[in-house]
Amino acid sequence: AQKVTQAQTEISVVEKEDVTLDCVYETRDTTYYLFWYKQPPSGELVFLIRRNSFDEQNEISGRYSWNFQKSTSSFNFTITASQVVDSAVYFCAAKAAGNKLTFGGGTRVLVKP
Amino acid sequence: KAGVTQTPRYLIKTRGQQVTLSCSPISGHRSVSWYQQTPGQGLQFLFEYFSETQRNKGNFPGRFSGRQFSNSRSEMNVSTLELGDSALYLCASTLNSRETQYFGPGTRLLVL
Repeated sequence: AQKVTQAQTEISVVEKEDVTLDCVYETRDTTYYLFWYKQPPSGELVFLIRRNSFDEQNEISGRYSWNFQKSTSSFNFTITASQVVDSAVYFCAAKAAGNKLTFGGGTRVLVKP
Repeated sequence: KAGVTQTPRYLIKTRGQQVTLSCSPISGHRSVSWYQQTPGQGLQFLFEYFSETQRNKGNFPGRFSGRQFSNSRSEMNVSTLELGDSALYLCASTLNSRETQYFGPGTRLLVL
């Protein structure tokens, strides 16, 4: 079973500032998958990024980047140059093959113009 | 490809009634999972179906049940509704257990 902790419940920034969302996970599985999802006010969970446990390479995709540190069990997510449309609740999630997807409590991001 | 669809989008029921929610996965996806989201409990896993078989089940009472059809469409049923069942019910589909889950827009259930 996995456990995912998002210590930040709410973050408020001004447009164009960078936002970093923290995520710490716990798992006994040696192979697992980490995800970030965005939930706008409409309610639908939108997939953003995914990382496999055996690939610690960090990448940048547009304004999104992530920092996967297996040694500290962290999978942090950064939005660069935030925009008002980035306002949403962001969920970190973990999963092992054959197991359920476990979500953190979510971090509400408010980007003010 | 069309995304995951869920019907109905909104539902109002009274205590004691039962409700059936439907989910159509992305074409080609054989796994469907259901989640309940409430302000107090967050996102909680209900169950997962793969090729018409329940593969995983969360910690919910027996009033919550589901099934999957041969075309991978899935339904979940909640009997004897309670006020606490008011929630956003999300369905997700995936190719297999190692792949990313893609979510539908959800069904908002209000129990009065």
